[in-house]
Amino acid sequence: AQSVTQLGSHVSVSEGALVLLRCNYSSSVPPYLFWYVQYPNQGLQLLLKYTSAATLVKGINGFEAEFKKSETSFHLTKPSAHMSDAAEYFCAVTYTGGFKTIFGAGTRLFVKA
Amino acid sequence: ETGVTQSPTHLIKTRGQQVTLRCSSQSGHNTVSWYQQALGQGPQFIFQYYREEENGRGNFPPRFSGLQFPNYSSELNVNALELDDSALYLCASSLAERGPHTDTQYFGPGTRLTVL
Repeated sequence: AQSVTQLGSHVSVSEGALVLLRCNYSSSVPPYLFWYVQYPNQGLQLLLKYTSAATLVKGINGFEAEFKKSETSFHLTKPSAHMSDAAEYFCAVTYTGGFKTIFGAGTRLFVKA
Repeated sequence: ETGVTQSPTHLIKTRGQQVTLRCSSQSGHNTVSWYQQALGQGPQFIFQYYREEENGRGNFPPRFSGLQFPNYSSELNVNALELDDSALYLCASSLAERGPHTDTQYFGPGTRLTVL
C-alpha cells in the first residue's frame, strides 16, 4: 500500500540551528512529492514540490528538500531556523495517473529562543 | 486572485444529524478535493471533483457525498453523523491542466466540525 512516513512527531531546534524533517514514502511508481506547512487554525500552505525535474527542490521561506530515489526519501531542510518556522509540517505524495494525495501524520516543529 | 474560502468556520452537531460544509475555490480552478483531518493526524483524502463530476474517492463511506458547481463552489455533505466524524474538514482547489497529481493544491482554512 502506498504510504508516507514522517519520522518524529515532534522536533525541537534552537533559533539559528539546522532544521531537518524526515519523510519516507513507499512507491513502486514514480511519485510526486510535496511538503506543506500548517499554522494553528489555518489551512495547509505549499512549501515545495518535486515533480521529476531537479532532485533538489527549493521552496519558500528558505526551505529545500532533496529527492533520493534509492532511499525513498524526501527530507525537508532549512539551514537556520527562525521563530516563525514553528508550525506543523506535512509530507505528501501523489502518483502518476493518480488523483489521491496521501499525507504523512505530520511533524510539529518547535523553535527555541 | 482570491483564495479558497470555507464556511462555516466552526460547527457543532449531534450524532445522527446531517451537515453541509461549503467551499469556494480559487477563481478558474476546475478541481476541488476534500480532506478530513482528525486531531493530531494528517489530512485524509475524502474525494475529488473535476469539472463537476466525482473524479476519485478515498476510504470513506457513502454517507460522505459532495457536489461541485459551475461557479467554482462545492459542498461536502455528511449524513448520519458519528462521533468519529469530529475533525477539521479542508477543501483544496487546483487547476488540473496536466493532471491533479502534479498541480498545486490551494487549501482553505477549514471547517472545524464537532459531533456530540
